[in-house]
Amino acid sequence: AQTVTQSQPEMSVQEAETVTLSCTYDTSENNYYLFWYKQPPSRQMILVIRQEAYKQQNATENRFSVNFQKAAKSFSLKISDSQLGDTAMYFCAFTPIEKLTFGTGTRLTIIP
Amino acid sequence: DTEVTQTPKHLVMGMTNKKSLKCEQHMGHRAMYWYKQKAKKPPELMFVYSYEKLSINESVPSRFSPECPNSSLLNLHLHALQPEDSALYLCASRLRQAAGNTIYFGEGSWLTVV
Repeated sequence: AQTVTQSQPEMSVQEAETVTLSCTYDTSENNYYLFWYKQPPSRQMILVIRQEAYKQQNATENRFSVNFQKAAKSFSLKISDSQLGDTAMYFCAFTPIEKLTFGTGTRLTIIP
Repeated sequence: DTEVTQTPKHLVMGMTNKKSLKCEQHMGHRAMYWYKQKAKKPPELMFVYSYEKLSINESVPSRFSPECPNSSLLNLHLHALQPEDSALYLCASRLRQAAGNTIYFGEGSWLTVV
C-alpha cells in the first residue's frame, strides 16, 4: 500500500519570505506521479505543481518549485516570495496510475 | 480548460430522502472520481470510473451509489444517509496517457444530512 506523510501540520511565514513544506511517501512502484495541491478556504482543490518520477529534473512553476529525491522518497515544496493568497491547506499526493492518495496536509498561513 | 463542474454546490437532505450529486467535464477525460472530505482531513477516495466502467470501489456503503451515464457525466446517488455522511464531496477527472497523469477537481458539493 502507498502512504504519504506530511509531518508539518501547520506553518506560518511572513509575506515575501520563502517557505518549504515537507512530504515523504512510501511505495514499491517505480513509475508514478507526485503532486502538490492547494485548498484555500473555498475548498476548491487546486493543482500547484506535479512531478513525474522518471524525470530527474525538479519541477518548477513560477514561485513554486519542488525538491524531488526519489531514493529518499521525499518530495518537498518550496514557495518563494510568499503572498497572502498562498494561505491555504497544502496536500502532497501520489499516484501510480489510477488511485490518488493524499497526505494529511499542512496548513500554511502567510502573515502580512 | 481544466473545468470540472459539480451541482448542487450545497445540499441538505433528511435521512429518508433520495438525492443525487452530479459532475460534468468536457475535457475528454476518461477516468472520473468521487472523493469524500471531512473537515480538516484529506480527501478519501470513494469510487473510480475508467472508460465508463467502475474500476475502484473503496468499500463504500451501499447507501452511496455511483453512476457514469457517459464519458462526460458522473452521478452519486444518495439514499438513507446518516448524519456522519455530512461532508464535502469532490468530483475529479483525469485524462489517461496525458502528460503528468494529472487529476483535476471540481469545487465540490457540500452535503448536510439532518
